[in-house]
Amino acid sequence: ETGVTQSPTHLIKTRGQQVTLRCSSQSGHNTVSWYQQALGQGPQFIFQYYREEENGRGNFPPRFSGLQFPNYSSELNVNALELDDSALYLCASRGLAIDNEQFFGPGTRLTVL
Amino acid sequence: AQSVTQLDSQVPVFEEAPVELRCNYSSSVSVYLFWYVQYPNQGLQLLLKYLSGSTLVESINGFEAEFNKSQTSFHLRKPSVHISDTAEYFCAVLPMNYGGSQGNLIFGKGTKLSVKP
Repeated sequence: ETGVTQSPTHLIKTRGQQVTLRCSSQSGHNTVSWYQQALGQGPQFIFQYYREEENGRGNFPPRFSGLQFPNYSSELNVNALELDDSALYLCASRGLAIDNEQFFGPGTRLTVL
Repeated sequence: AQSVTQLDSQVPVFEEAPVELRCNYSSSVSVYLFWYVQYPNQGLQLLLKYLSGSTLVESINGFEAEFNKSQTSFHLRKPSVHISDTAEYFCAVLPMNYGGSQGNLIFGKGTKLSVKP
């Protein structure tokens, strides 16, 4: 059983650019959540996908968008990057039950210059 | 709405000493409670969780946490720490209501535990 994987590990972009981050869920998990962890802060919920549809969203602007694919892998897209988007982006997958453990990937470190 | 407060941003402690990392939460609905650990350059790992039943929960590596409903706290303790426990620890809550953000963990800002020899 493979865990949650994310790619790339690190990424450097400039302000105004667009970025796509990828996540492969743990086997058997159909729900994926994305979190942003700024330096010195706890992770903040961006959104969640279940059966290829967004079914929950945190306080993030529409330029943060996502996709979930039939194999339950997922993408996080961020348009018009801003300096404050620099953070560790974490993907977490779990089964359907609300109290199922969320398994986190290692994250993608995004730096916006 | 929910919020989580971790009262100490950094906790230095000597090896084999006891430690307590404090966590208080605020919520208008019942919540599940979690502690996650993050080692440098890694993602989050679940350390322990409280869903229901006994208010004292334990992890396999000697940590324990006690849910105190009246004080809305979920403090993490270990009677004797090791160098390998050096990491950042996050307290989190998960609302039990099935709203528009199902599965949305709300995290505290984290406590950096530094164990010195």
